[in-house]
Amino acid sequence: NAGVTQTPKFQVLKTGQSMTLQCAQDMNHEYMSWYRQDPGMGLRLIHYSVGAGITDQGEVPNGYNVSRSTTEDFPLRLLSAAPSQTSVYFCASTDSVSHSYTFGSGTRLTVV
Amino acid sequence: GQQVMQIPQYQHVQEGEDFTTYCNSSTTLSNIQWYKQRPGGHPVFLIQLVKSGEVKKQKRLTFQFGEAKKNSSLHITATQTTDVGTYFCAGPRYNNNDMRFGAGTRLTVKP
Repeated sequence: NAGVTQTPKFQVLKTGQSMTLQCAQDMNHEYMSWYRQDPGMGLRLIHYSVGAGITDQGEVPNGYNVSRSTTEDFPLRLLSAAPSQTSVYFCASTDSVSHSYTFGSGTRLTVV
Repeated sequence: GQQVMQIPQYQHVQEGEDFTTYCNSSTTLSNIQWYKQRPGGHPVFLIQLVKSGEVKKQKRLTFQFGEAKKNSSLHITATQTTDVGTYFCAGPRYNNNDMRFGAGTRLTVKP
């Protein structure tokens, strides 16, 4: 059981480039979400999904897109990277009974 | 909107001392969760509290949920170096799929 798998672990982008952070879970969880973590600001919710085909915005959605075509996958797209998007990104999936979050190991993104 | 505030931001203790972190919400919460993140790692779920005034224990860790369900605390008795990390509380904003995290309390332990 891999849990939540995020790729890549590290990425450096130039301003204006686009990229997709991948997230996959094998626990058959309906709920998945993306957070960014910045020093002193904790984890801030970017987007979340309650099931395949359904997504919604979180606290800081601007500059990011998501889609959920399958239960397993929930990719996060940066449309035009900006230095303000330098952060550590965590994907999480949620057990619908216990509501506990299982986080991936994170992607450390630097935008120069 | 709902905010989850956590204090202190940092805490440095001598091994064997106790540690407490506090979490306060601007609104009543249906539940509160606690997570631990080791340095360089990812947050790991510790516990969820649901009932008003609830107290739960995990070995040296004691979790409390306030009577008004707007605050919570995590207390560690006799800290060990393995307790090092950042402790986050989280509460649902609209539903359990929209959890809002506190900024965390970073605990360091001096051997």
